Amino acid sequence: SQQGEEDPQALSIQEGENATMNCSYKTSINNLQWYRQNSGRGLVHLILIRSNEREKHSGRLRVTLDTSKKSSSLLITASRAADTASYFCATDEYDYKLSFGAGTTVTVRA
Amino acid sequence: KAGVTQTPRYLIKTRGQQVTLSCSPISGHRSVSWYQQTPGQGLQFLFEYFSETQRNKGNFPGRFSGRQFSNSRSEMNVSTLELGDSALYLCASSSVGTGSNTGELFFGEGSRLTVL
Repeated sequence: SQQGEEDPQALSIQEGENATMNCSYKTSINNLQWYRQNSGRGLVHLILIRSNEREKHSGRLRVTLDTSKKSSSLLITASRAADTASYFCATDEYDYKLSFGAGTTVTVRA
Repeated sequence: KAGVTQTPRYLIKTRGQQVTLSCSPISGHRSVSWYQQTPGQGLQFLFEYFSETQRNKGNFPGRFSGRQFSNSRSEMNVSTLELGDSALYLCASSSVGTGSNTGELFFGEGSRLTVL
């Protein structure tokens, strides 16, 4: 079963704009991670935020975590065509696995 | 370091057949996980192995099985294939140890199975 729900399902933006996607989950977590997947390929880890952290940055990525609302957001700034991909949040519930959301498909138009 | 290697990349089977997929993790990684990805169900957890022990199993029928070898390489097997087993099967490895937390997963490119 999927733990995370992502919003929106799809997002289309112009190159240079920012993209924001949200993830909600249901149970207590150890950490929350974001992954990117280019069409039909393997997932690539982007960032991990622990349950005691509220915000984390990595390059053009900014992730927030609100454990009281059981939600997280991923912001990609100054988007590029190469950012076109599906983005998944995944939660670690201390049980040797990640539970993935349904993903947000991001299209960056030139 | 070489990444996670999955073989075969593509395969076509018919209903009722069985299939074995292979995964070689990143050198030094002892945890290997398997996920099934379909358009309808998304990414679903199959199983996780650490040092040849299965530590967790997803909600899949007994037709889905796996194992891990002493060199950390892993295989998964699906018997009596059904049309609904058509999917991208992803293997991931991790450097985490004996604790129950799951750190960063490194994914292979997947094995795309089509069942006719």
